[in-house]
Amino acid sequence: ILNVEQSPQSLHVQEGDSTNFTCSFPSSNFYALHWYRWETAKSPEALFVMTLNGDEKKKGRISATLNTKEGYSYLYIKGSQPEDSATYLCAFISGSARQLTFGSGTQLTVLP
Amino acid sequence: ETGVTQSPTHLIKTRGQQVTLRCSSQSGHNTVSWYQQALGQGPQFIFQYYREEENGRGNFPPRFSGLQFPNYSSELNVNALELDDSALYLCASSFSSGSYEQYFGPGTRLTVT
Repeated sequence: ILNVEQSPQSLHVQEGDSTNFTCSFPSSNFYALHWYRWETAKSPEALFVMTLNGDEKKKGRISATLNTKEGYSYLYIKGSQPEDSATYLCAFISGSARQLTFGSGTQLTVLP
Repeated sequence: ETGVTQSPTHLIKTRGQQVTLRCSSQSGHNTVSWYQQALGQGPQFIFQYYREEENGRGNFPPRFSGLQFPNYSSELNVNALELDDSALYLCASSFSSGSYEQYFGPGTRLTVT
């Protein structure tokens, strides 16, 4: 059973703050890591697909880094806005299983 | 481009009954995956279909079964419903199997009483 952990479980920040959260995954047999954003009453939406050690991806104020050797990925949000409030999920794909194993998510609330 | 749709939105069933959930994939996608999300947890992988064949299965009993049709729409069937089957069921389509990003539907909320 693959173990994908996310921390913190929940986070409250003020509008304008920058924040980051962590996704930990097995460091062996890595294939890919996905980040998704899931707003209440909507469908999960893909943010990043990361496949190479050292990958850094950016979409607007959101960016992510990947370290496959030590088994972690960071998601950063710069200058948080209330519309960033959502649950952020990471999902690991191993080379053998080729299926998404999700963490439990980090629930972000940005207070105006 | 048509998004992923699921039906029904909500469903209430009694323990022991059977249920069928439906998913329409995004146009051009040949792979669909089904997930179960219980309260407070991340989505758990049930199975994946690629070009109408099962292409991987998670740790779910055989009473969870699926189908993918030639138009790449899909069904999830659950027999002999148990109370613990109460959850949000998500389907997601992708361009192919592997690391491609998945496009999720809004989910079906199943309540088993």
